Amino acid sequence: DTEVTQTPKHLVMGMTNKKSLKCEQHMGHRAMYWYKQKAKKPPELMFVYSYEKLSINESVPSRFSPECPNSSLLNLHLHALQPEDSALYLCASSHAGFNQPQHFGDGTRLSIL
Amino acid sequence: AQKVTQAQTEISVVEKEDVTLDCVYETRDTTYYLFWYKQPPSGELVFLIRRNSFDEQNEISGRYSWNFQKSTSSFNFTITASQVVDSAVYFCALPNTGGFKTIFGAGTRLFVKA
Repeated sequence: DTEVTQTPKHLVMGMTNKKSLKCEQHMGHRAMYWYKQKAKKPPELMFVYSYEKLSINESVPSRFSPECPNSSLLNLHLHALQPEDSALYLCASSHAGFNQPQHFGDGTRLSIL
Repeated sequence: AQKVTQAQTEISVVEKEDVTLDCVYETRDTTYYLFWYKQPPSGELVFLIRRNSFDEQNEISGRYSWNFQKSTSSFNFTITASQVVDSAVYFCALPNTGGFKTIFGAGTRLFVKA
């Protein structure tokens, strides 16, 4: 079992739907990350929160909206997604500070119809 | 610019064979870290090792060993006596200097056949 929990595991949504991905960790980590991973590719960083503040936004389209309500939770709100957004979305956490190992969740497999 | 190259896209071995996964990196920094992660079919990336650029000693953990050579900018990973459970994609990674971003290699997919 991973220490970073992501829900749901699978999500199928239409292009007009609004949904949210959730991520939770209880390791006391103060940095949390969202990654997007297409098949047979490495993870691509989307967002980083450090101490609940957005630290990095890798020029992600506004149809993806991150939220960090507290130090244990990270959400990714989805709206009006495109078929090319279908991917595995991974959440990770780490101790604050650079060069820290990241602990990943199992991911949410997202399909956009 | 920082870069990580994993030239081996896929490797297939038979159980109990030894296998080495190659990683070559580029950085202008004198101090840096390198990582290896494993991604089994279930999806999550599992942290395997972090190595500081000042420490060139080889590391061994059970059947896993790592060979770090600054002279060739390589950080290779060897699995001894491979097992079916080792089947996964393995990523070598280099954190960006002074930031949270990590540069991942393209990954090497390892198939271990029984």
